[in-house]
Amino acid sequence: GESVGLHLPTLSVQEGDNSIINCAYSNSASDYFIWYKQESGKGPQFIIDIRSNMDKRQGQRVTVLLNKTVKHLSLQIAATQPGDSAVYFCAENPPIDQNFVFGPGTRLSVLP
Amino acid sequence: DGGITQSPKYLFRKEGQNVTLSCEQNLNHDAMYWYRQDPGQGLRLIYYSQIVNDFQKGDIAEGYSVSREKKESFPLTVTSAQKNPTAFYLCASSPNRGQPQHFGDGTRLSIL
Repeated sequence: GESVGLHLPTLSVQEGDNSIINCAYSNSASDYFIWYKQESGKGPQFIIDIRSNMDKRQGQRVTVLLNKTVKHLSLQIAATQPGDSAVYFCAENPPIDQNFVFGPGTRLSVLP
Repeated sequence: DGGITQSPKYLFRKEGQNVTLSCEQNLNHDAMYWYRQDPGQGLRLIYYSQIVNDFQKGDIAEGYSVSREKKESFPLTVTSAQKNPTAFYLCASSPNRGQPQHFGDGTRLSIL
């Protein structure tokens, strides 16, 4: 399940299960969104992106869903593996400012 | 391989001292960025540069300075005016502003 840790929300899943990581964004005018994965001591890595004219986009083992009505973004990871353990955060791009705004992230812990 | 190189990986600062963090990219990107990452918070933008010899303040520029004399390089100086410099600093680049950013592996700055 999902719980609030000392610094970040943490999601613990069994290896092989599907993971769903959620993100609430702030600006209803944002038109572009990215999910990043950050492993401990490393920089963030791009996972998948989606534009506001889409509701869903699929990649390899990952799916991003966008609900503009409630300003919500989710990342689904299929058949979660130990290598998926990391912090995942979303970024939104307001159309005028063009500087991305980053969420605080969720820590995904994959249990053997 | 193309990428972003940050150095050093760990840096210690004494009271009253300025320190400079290095960031080099060989991706031929025009835009470069510096972010600060603190536990439980999203990335916060310190400075960004859209082109050589031009840079703009981000959300938390006080106590920091940058230069962009070459396309490949965007060093960040943490000055003695920054009273709470302990953090993980991330450099990023993108082809243009508003496009997905590639990140370096960060520099962790601590105070002696």
